[in-house]
Amino acid sequence: GQNIDQPTEMTATEGAIVQINCTYQTSGFNGLFWYQQHAGEAPTFLSYNVLDGLEEKGRFSSFLSRSKGYSYLLLKELQMKDSASYLCAVRDAGNTPLVFGKGTRLSVIA
Amino acid sequence: DTGVSQDPRHKITKRGQNVTFRCDPISEHNRLYWYRQTLGQGPEFLTYFQNEAQLEKSRLLSDRFSAERPKGSFSTLEIQRTEQGDSAMYLCASSISGGINEQFFGPGTRLTVL
Repeated sequence: GQNIDQPTEMTATEGAIVQINCTYQTSGFNGLFWYQQHAGEAPTFLSYNVLDGLEEKGRFSSFLSRSKGYSYLLLKELQMKDSASYLCAVRDAGNTPLVFGKGTRLSVIA
Repeated sequence: DTGVSQDPRHKITKRGQNVTFRCDPISEHNRLYWYRQTLGQGPEFLTYFQNEAQLEKSRLLSDRFSAERPKGSFSTLEIQRTEQGDSAMYLCASSISGGINEQFFGPGTRLTVL
């Protein structure tokens, strides 16, 4: 079976750093994606990891450990506009469709 | 606008009616996906196409759900004999089949079944 776990909600302060964790159990692995989704809007792509390690893109970084079935998304210098849901998704083989977690709703407060 | 578009954005229907949603992918994308998302959940995969071929449809929620992509461009998702449990956001995404296969999502169609 396939299972992706991430915290339901998190709160962080403007200007701070927040780490959103994701653990997964899938029959195979061919990449992990992070998407951002503002309320009532479509998910937008943030990052992709297929090899172990850290991928950095501006204020956002994503880390993967395949042996542990673990990833995190790191958001630095938080801004109010970062308040959104963050979705972890795994592709289990080839170019098959993504399996999404339930998402983590992040609230950034002043 | 060169992104993924969906029509309509909102649909309210009565239980038992049929509904059809349309998705226009990014023009050079040969893959097209349909997902359903309910409140507080991540998108749930339904079906996908590569060009006009439907490569996976076992995840469609019941035989009341069907999808087509007749010319390998736009796609339609039909729900027959709608039920209240079908109320959700229906998302379409597209991608190219190579590279990291990043999916670009449309704005979704919000279905409310009364």
